Amino acid sequence: AQSVTQLGSHVSVSEGALVLLRCNYSSSVPPYLFWYVQYPNQGLQLLLKYTTGATLVKGINGFEAEFKKSETSFHLTKPSAHMSDAAEYFCAVSDFDGNKLVFGAGTILRVKS
Amino acid sequence: GAGVSQSPRYKVAKRGQDVALRCDPISGHVSLFWYQQALGQGPEFLTYFQNEAQLDKSGLPSDRFFAERPEGSVSTLKIQRTQQEDSAVYLCASSLKTSGPRLTQYFGPGTRLLVL
Repeated sequence: AQSVTQLGSHVSVSEGALVLLRCNYSSSVPPYLFWYVQYPNQGLQLLLKYTTGATLVKGINGFEAEFKKSETSFHLTKPSAHMSDAAEYFCAVSDFDGNKLVFGAGTILRVKS
Repeated sequence: GAGVSQSPRYKVAKRGQDVALRCDPISGHVSLFWYQQALGQGPEFLTYFQNEAQLDKSGLPSDRFFAERPEGSVSTLKIQRTQQEDSAVYLCASSLKTSGPRLTQYFGPGTRLLVL
């Protein structure tokens, strides 16, 4: 069975500081990995995904994530936080067909001015 | 273009009532997915359709939950005899592709269900 662990239910950073949101996964097959963002009262929006190929994946809004198979990790980073980045972020894993996403519990990002 | 829409956005039900939640996917999207998101948790898979065929319903928590997509477009998630533990946000997603690396699920805003 697949599972996702997001370390830290809440992360607080200052505006302009590095954002690092941690995600570790468990999968018995080569996984597809995703990061979604959820703003209040809105649906989940895809930030980026890894399927195959290059392990460093660039997404929208300046976010990127690196797939590290040896560490079973897919951490999300952004060099400089903006106030508009404040939201809840979910890491997810699926198997090769991508049809059944398994989500982590989410990390709420707070950006301080 | 229009995204995934869900209605109602909010629903309050008395315990024991039946409810029906609607999802309108993006036009032309073949696959449709339902997830349940309890307060403070990540979404959990309920079921998915490819056109009108329900290919996986392994996540439905009990036989009180029923989903349909009779014409391969709009889908309805029905919950019979609602219980307090059914209180959650129900998310719908759709995808143009049916499988593989190009499959991306696009999510609607969700229906927040509160069972009193």
